[in-house]
Amino acid sequence: AQSVTQLGSHVSVSEGALVLLRCNYSSSVPPYLFWYVQYPNQGLQLLLKYTTGATLVKGINGFEAEFKKSETSFHLTKPSAHMSDAAEYFCAASLSGNTPLVFGKGTRLSVIA
Amino acid sequence: EAGVTQFPSHSVIEKGQTVTLRCDPISGHDNLYWYRRVMGKEIKFLLHFVKESKQDESGMPNNRFLAERTGGTYSTLKVQPAELEDSGVYFCASSLDSYPSYTDTQYFGPGTRLTVL
Repeated sequence: AQSVTQLGSHVSVSEGALVLLRCNYSSSVPPYLFWYVQYPNQGLQLLLKYTTGATLVKGINGFEAEFKKSETSFHLTKPSAHMSDAAEYFCAASLSGNTPLVFGKGTRLSVIA
Repeated sequence: EAGVTQFPSHSVIEKGQTVTLRCDPISGHDNLYWYRRVMGKEIKFLLHFVKESKQDESGMPNNRFLAERTGGTYSTLKVQPAELEDSGVYFCASSLDSYPSYTDTQYFGPGTRLTVL
């Protein structure tokens, strides 16, 4: 069965510092991979997704993630954190499009001024 | 274009009562999903509709949960009778059905926070 692991339920960074949120997946086949973000009192918003092709994926708000099959990882990064990045981030996987997503437990990102 | 909407945003009920959650997907989206997040745990899949048909309901916890999607438009999720462990945030998502690649994104609603006392 598929599973997604996010290391760290809470990550705190200074404004302007690098953001690194870790995600590892367990799957018998390379899955489709997603990062969603949830701002307070809002729904989940797609940041970026990997399906096939280029392994470095760029998303909205300056975020990007790299699919590394050898490490079964899909870590999310942003070079310089902004106060508005404070939110909860979810990594998710699916075996193909239009199949249920399997989520990690989420990582809450705090940005300190 | 309107996003996925869910109603109510918050519901507080007593154990043993019935609650019905509603989801309106993005217009034209054939796929509709229900997920749930219990406090402190990950978001978990409940079921998947393709138009009005249940494609996959393997995540439904028990027969106290009943989901319908009338005419392939909006969907309701009824919990009857509600138990304490049903508390959590219920999310709805929708996506297009783009044969053959099926790479469409699932767009999520804001969720319904259910509290069972």
